[in-house]
Amino acid sequence: SAVISQKPSRDICQRGTSLTIQCQVDSQVTMMFWYRQQPGQSLTLIATANQGSEATYESGFVIDKFPISRPNLTFSTLTVSNMSPEDSSIYLCSGRDMNTEAFFGQGTRLTVV
Amino acid sequence: DAKTTQPTSMDCAEGRAANLPCNHSTISGNEYVYWYRQIHSQGPQYIIHGLKNNETNEMASLIITEDRKSSTLILPHATLRDTAVYYCIAGGGATNKLIFGTGTLLAVQP
Repeated sequence: SAVISQKPSRDICQRGTSLTIQCQVDSQVTMMFWYRQQPGQSLTLIATANQGSEATYESGFVIDKFPISRPNLTFSTLTVSNMSPEDSSIYLCSGRDMNTEAFFGQGTRLTVV
Repeated sequence: DAKTTQPTSMDCAEGRAANLPCNHSTISGNEYVYWYRQIHSQGPQYIIHGLKNNETNEMASLIITEDRKSSTLILPHATLRDTAVYYCIAGGGATNKLIFGTGTLLAVQP
């Protein structure tokens, strides 16, 4: 099973600033995904991080707000731009190969003040 | 991805089997059934997945009906540490993404 590490594990940020979250997988994975989990809610898929091309965003999420990079098969970043208190959530990275289970990082707990 | 329906919450006595149901009546032929759980403040933990056949591993058993429209996750001997939100996901298929529903909060009682 793959091990996924996220940095930072938590942060408190000022509104209007941006935060970049890093996701490192200990082995190559075909697919990487970013999720958001708002307080008391289930996980919501933000986007699929595509290696070497633009990410594929789910309805309600846009590149200007959540730019994503995936330079290789083991690493991805998610930036939360121009943050507001409504962006306070846990952001989770996931990796998987086709028809196999997905593995998740422990998440980044973001508080915007 | 197919939509899943799970009970909002369930209770189970410690040491007894916990049977968590899930309906996925719109599942397509190439979509798997995945189960994850999330203990408070942690990332989701993979439990088990299957396509058509029943599956068993060291954590749980997965029973999928013949028409694949529903499934049951069985934790054979629930412990207090099994208290968590359990998510059933029907997906993976052509899009390869996993969409989480609202899940079942399983409370294991002493």
